[in-house]
Amino acid sequence: DVKVTQSSRYLVKRTGEKVFLECVQDMDHENMFWYRQDPGLGLRLIYFSYDVKMKEKGDIPEGYSVSREKKERFSLILESASTNQTSMYLCASSTRWGQYFGPGTRLTVT
Amino acid sequence: QQQVKQSPQSLIVQKGGIPIINCAYENTAFDYFPWYQQFPGKGPALLIAIRPDVSEKKEGRFTISFNKSAKQFSLHIMDSQPGDSATYFCAASRRGGGSEKLVFGKGTKLTVNP
Repeated sequence: DVKVTQSSRYLVKRTGEKVFLECVQDMDHENMFWYRQDPGLGLRLIYFSYDVKMKEKGDIPEGYSVSREKKERFSLILESASTNQTSMYLCASSTRWGQYFGPGTRLTVT
Repeated sequence: QQQVKQSPQSLIVQKGGIPIINCAYENTAFDYFPWYQQFPGKGPALLIAIRPDVSEKKEGRFTISFNKSAKQFSLHIMDSQPGDSATYFCAASRRGGGSEKLVFGKGTKLTVNP
């Protein structure tokens, strides 16, 4: 079974803090993705990566950056957290057969 | 042109009913159409997927119907059960598979009453 793990299920941070969300997959997938999920808006792609040290912007990259130093790990960074970044963050990795999601991190920025 | 429009937003059926969720797309370059199922507190899980060379695909109680000319596809859940209560997302991508970027619909919250 594909396993995608995320470092935290719940996270509470203060406005202006730098926040790191970690994602690890154990299936040697080349492609990894970060989404945020908000009620009524579905899943929106923040960034994705096709290979180590390679990244591409998704639909809503503003306020976020990513890092992929190793194939199995893809990190999402909120440079200066703001309240409008309160959301559920989902990581995924993929094969040609589909994308496989982690359990999500619910981030609250106060 | 990158959008996938999903309807309805929410759906309530009785146990044994056949809920149908519909999606429409504009980009004719899309060639992979998966459905995801998400339970509260969990990440979405791949449920079933179809490519445009077939008009229907069944996996257990779940069926995707695909209409290429209308650029529409739908999910049918036969003999629905309370355990099917979840949010369902359709998606689409191009150039052959799940490794490409997926464009998601906004989701349908399904409730199956006992």
